[in-house]
Amino acid sequence: EDKVVQSPLSLVVHEGDTVTLNCSYEVTNFRSLLWYKQEKKAPTFLFMLTSSGIEKKSGRLSSILDKKELFSILNITATQTGDSAIYLCAVTKNTGNQFYFGTGTSLTVIP
Amino acid sequence: ETGVTQSPTHLIKTRGQQVTLRCSSQSGHNTVSWYQQALGQGPQFIFQYYREEENGRGNFPPRFSGLQFPNYSSELNVNALELDDSALYLCASSFRGSVTQETQYFGPGTRLLVL
Repeated sequence: EDKVVQSPLSLVVHEGDTVTLNCSYEVTNFRSLLWYKQEKKAPTFLFMLTSSGIEKKSGRLSSILDKKELFSILNITATQTGDSAIYLCAVTKNTGNQFYFGTGTSLTVIP
Repeated sequence: ETGVTQSPTHLIKTRGQQVTLRCSSQSGHNTVSWYQQALGQGPQFIFQYYREEENGRGNFPPRFSGLQFPNYSSELNVNALELDDSALYLCASSFRGSVTQETQYFGPGTRLLVL
């Protein structure tokens, strides 16, 4: 059965800290892994990763994929209170069109 | 904002009733996917519509059905509502070409409460 597992489930840090969120997956016919940030309702797209070892970066956020060990990490440096959200990881396959989501990591950044 | 809109934003129904949720996709997108997100869970794929036909379905019973219109907007219909159908329903649009499918962009969701 296809599975996406995120850890930790929740995290509380102080402003300025650096956090690493993990996403591991077990799917057949892997195509891509995506990270989303969900603050209130709509998940907003952060990154899409298809190749191992190539870091994607956007400001203080970065992500990398390891297709051999079947995981990805999302790093956030110098966290701010506005980073407080649920971070979702999703995987797509070459067969079919659905996104397989993990349960998310709830990040709370306190001043 | 992604340009994906959903209506209504909130809805309260009772068990056994039927509900229709609506989604307008982002300009230039031809594919709409629907997800159910229960509290504390990640979104679960319900189905996807492409060229007005269902193009993939998750593990949801037939009382969950949908439509896609020529302008690529979409509806999700749920019959015989159950308490466990209470959730946030998310619509996501994307562009699907002949060889590629771009990432999905989500609407703000409809919060459904079944009493």
